[in-house]
Amino acid sequence: KAGVTQTPRYLIKTRGQQVTLSCSPISGHRSVSWYQQTPGQGLQFLFEYFSETQRNKGNFPGRFSGRQFSNSRSEMNVSTLELGDSALYLCASIAGFGSDTQYFGPGTRLTVL
Amino acid sequence: QQQVKQSPQSLIVQKGGISIINCAYENTAFDYFPWYQQFPGKGPALLIAIRPDVSEKKEGRFTISFNKSAKQFSLHIMDSQPGDSATYFCAASDSGSARQLTFGSGTQLTVLP
Repeated sequence: KAGVTQTPRYLIKTRGQQVTLSCSPISGHRSVSWYQQTPGQGLQFLFEYFSETQRNKGNFPGRFSGRQFSNSRSEMNVSTLELGDSALYLCASIAGFGSDTQYFGPGTRLTVL
Repeated sequence: QQQVKQSPQSLIVQKGGISIINCAYENTAFDYFPWYQQFPGKGPALLIAIRPDVSEKKEGRFTISFNKSAKQFSLHIMDSQPGDSATYFCAASDSGSARQLTFGSGTQLTVLP
């Protein structure tokens, strides 16, 4: 079974721009979570999607948004980028409702200049 | 605040030794406790996980010990190898509401040859 795929792997943007990151979960998995990883704040939960519905959102400003498609693929969007948004953005694949195990992808390294 | 406190921040162990990483949590609703291993440039990989109904779980050289009354859990790596050198994260979630993982701050493990 193929693992979690995240694209692009690396991205460089400038302040004020917006960015869209993509995640394809493990085949058959229906839920996706997103996390932000920085040296200062560590791993922080962004949001979780199940069957195209956002189930939970972490403590991030409204500039951070996401969605999930009918094929379980997910995207997250960050608008009006700030320098502090530079981070590794990780997507985790979850089998479905009732499952707790989260399998992480390799992440997208976003650098904001 | 739902926190998971992890110690030590860094750990150096000789090859063949035992590595021990500790975590403590506050939220008594947490009922799923995974450990992740992360190598530079990679996403976190699930190592082992435990639920509060058992006090210990072993998978190969990795063992989780869980103390529900003290709200503490720990990872023991037996016969540590240089290939185990990585950052280790404990985490916790409340599966009753959502699969939002709250992570510890991480432990940088170095196993000397």
